[in-house]
Amino acid sequence: DTGVSQNPRHKITKRGQNVTFRCDPISEHNRLYWYRQTLGQGPEFLTYFQNEAQLEKSRLLSDRFSAERPKGSFSTLEIQRTEQGDSAMYLCASSLLAATDTQYFGPGTRLTVL
Amino acid sequence: AQTVTQSQPEMSVQEAETVTLSCTYDTSESDYYLFWYKQPPSRQMILVIRQEAYKQQNATENRFSVNFQKAAKSFSLKISDSQLGDAAMYFCAYRFPTSGTYKYIFGTGTRLKVLA
Repeated sequence: DTGVSQNPRHKITKRGQNVTFRCDPISEHNRLYWYRQTLGQGPEFLTYFQNEAQLEKSRLLSDRFSAERPKGSFSTLEIQRTEQGDSAMYLCASSLLAATDTQYFGPGTRLTVL
Repeated sequence: AQTVTQSQPEMSVQEAETVTLSCTYDTSESDYYLFWYKQPPSRQMILVIRQEAYKQQNATENRFSVNFQKAAKSFSLKISDSQLGDAAMYFCAYRFPTSGTYKYIFGTGTRLKVLA
């Protein structure tokens, strides 16, 4: 296992369309995080899972956003009715449930909404 | 609310020289973790170094070291013997205490340019 992977790496869509991103964490990691990074900013927390349970969602995560981690392994992030303001890099990170809990990041999915 | 501030949007350093990137944070907690991550252009974020707040000793990883001043809430990163491959965005991050969500709060980043 070489690390956190994300697909697709790039997504261009038209406003109003739905998009879904996938994240595959490091295999033994039970925590999974989604962040959003816009140009010139640091990543901002969106949501996280411990195993299959979604334990926290940011105020940034409007009702058009939904995330799942059905079997405690990979996760999907869906954005419905995309808006131009959704254009950003969506980062996934995973970690072990441990005191050190260092997060390891994937390469991200860059979303462009036209 | 916890915040992380990186006041240097961009820094430059000559190859083989030393550079220090600044980070300050605000928290009322006593136990937390601080991180520096490196994000090369179009590549994923990589952990550079981690500091536990309860440890007085500054963390070091090869050419990378931190100056952790808990009372001042300052966490600077020193890169010694800078190399061309060090060119990247550097993000400082604060991690909520162990009883919380473990989510990170990131600063806005510092772009480091390494001049040959």
